[in-house]
Amino acid sequence: GESVGLHLPTLSVQEGDNSIINCAYSNSASDYFIWYKQESGKGPQFIIDIRSNMDKRQGQRVTVLLNKTVKHLSLQIAATQPGDSAVYFCAESPTGNQFYFGTGTSLTVIP
Amino acid sequence: EPEVTQTPSHQVTQMGQEVILRCVPISNHLYFYWYRQILGQKVEFLVSFYNNEISEKSEIFDDQFSVERPDGSNFTLKIRSTKLEDSAMYFCASILGISGPGELFFGEGSRLTVL
Repeated sequence: GESVGLHLPTLSVQEGDNSIINCAYSNSASDYFIWYKQESGKGPQFIIDIRSNMDKRQGQRVTVLLNKTVKHLSLQIAATQPGDSAVYFCAESPTGNQFYFGTGTSLTVIP
Repeated sequence: EPEVTQTPSHQVTQMGQEVILRCVPISNHLYFYWYRQILGQKVEFLVSFYNNEISEKSEIFDDQFSVERPDGSNFTLKIRSTKLEDSAMYFCASILGISGPGELFFGEGSRLTVL
């Protein structure tokens, strides 16, 4: 299978600060990437996606950066709020119909 | 907003018993998936289903597992002769699957506890 990994398993940030969550992927043929948020006891929830023909995409308070040269993906959350506390997964898709997930980073926002 | 629904939310079973987990994917989606997540671990792919047949399966998805789309809306995962290590969250997901990649929508999951 594919290998998608995260640099840090846990991250703690102060409320109001920006958060950066990183992800490394292994398949250079992957052309679609998604960030998911998973709260305790719930299913993964889509946050933002990006295709390989882009290197940056912005949503509401979130930005995804893609560096294909080093096969690295990051999720930036601006003005982190307590409700952002969750586990964040990246997923890569080499085919558009198959997705491989990373281990996840647990984000804790300190009020 | 359309959603993937799963039942039951929690199932407790004795080792060796069979369980069926049910999913209703989003109605116009074409690809369906089952994923498993053991507590504290990453989401693992089990199987994908398209056009009424399995399109891909992982090494986890052995003869103990089977999937079925018994009617136009339900998508089921059957686990035969459950083992302790089958205890996990099982997530159903679906995508539209037309003209390129798209968002993979997940259900809320079914927690399976094997005693």
